[in-house]
Amino acid sequence: AAGVIQSPRHLIKEKRETATLKCYPIPRHDTVYWYQQGPGQDPQFLISFYEKMQSDKGSIPDRFSAQQFSDYHSELNMSSLELGDSALYFCASSRRDYTGGELFFGEGSRLTVL
Amino acid sequence: KNEVEQSPQNLTAQEGEFITINCSYSVGISALHWLQQHPGGGIVSLFMLSSGKKKHGRLIATINIQEKHSSLHITASHPRDSAVYICAVLFMNYGGATNKLIFGTGTLLAVQP
Repeated sequence: AAGVIQSPRHLIKEKRETATLKCYPIPRHDTVYWYQQGPGQDPQFLISFYEKMQSDKGSIPDRFSAQQFSDYHSELNMSSLELGDSALYFCASSRRDYTGGELFFGEGSRLTVL
Repeated sequence: KNEVEQSPQNLTAQEGEFITINCSYSVGISALHWLQQHPGGGIVSLFMLSSGKKKHGRLIATINIQEKHSSLHITASHPRDSAVYICAVLFMNYGGATNKLIFGTGTLLAVQP
């Protein structure tokens, strides 16, 4: 069965560069969540989208932006990268109903900022 | 005080032992997830609960909505169960379905042979 696909799986960037992470949700899932997990830390909610509209916002820096496209895939754009942005970025998807829907996670994209 | 708290934070068990991990939350929720993360690895969803109890193989998850508490049980534990187990809750949004998943602090489980 198709799972949540994230790309790239690994990314190395220099400080002040930009990076784009992509998330392809499970087919027919309409909700996407982005999380950031620093080394040894709990995942922190960044932002979520439902039906291509931003639905909730967490601790996402102003240097980051995200959107969900018509095919429901989502992209997280990160600019002016800092060393502290090095983390594992998870995407999750669900089909939203009144309970929130079963949640499926991607394998994550590991960003290293040098 | 975290909105989602887990206990214990660390747990070491011998192979075959029965394991219980607890999760308490302080907000109204629409659903609770139990997740598993192996070191350096991705997150796998084990259960989603909005009431009652679910069982999958050696794993059992229960939730008591009135007491705002959930437990994850592992029967006949095995070294391959060693991982971080995370409780995550979806906030209840009275205007409709929720969008914000709040993670607990995680429980690091080590099962020794």
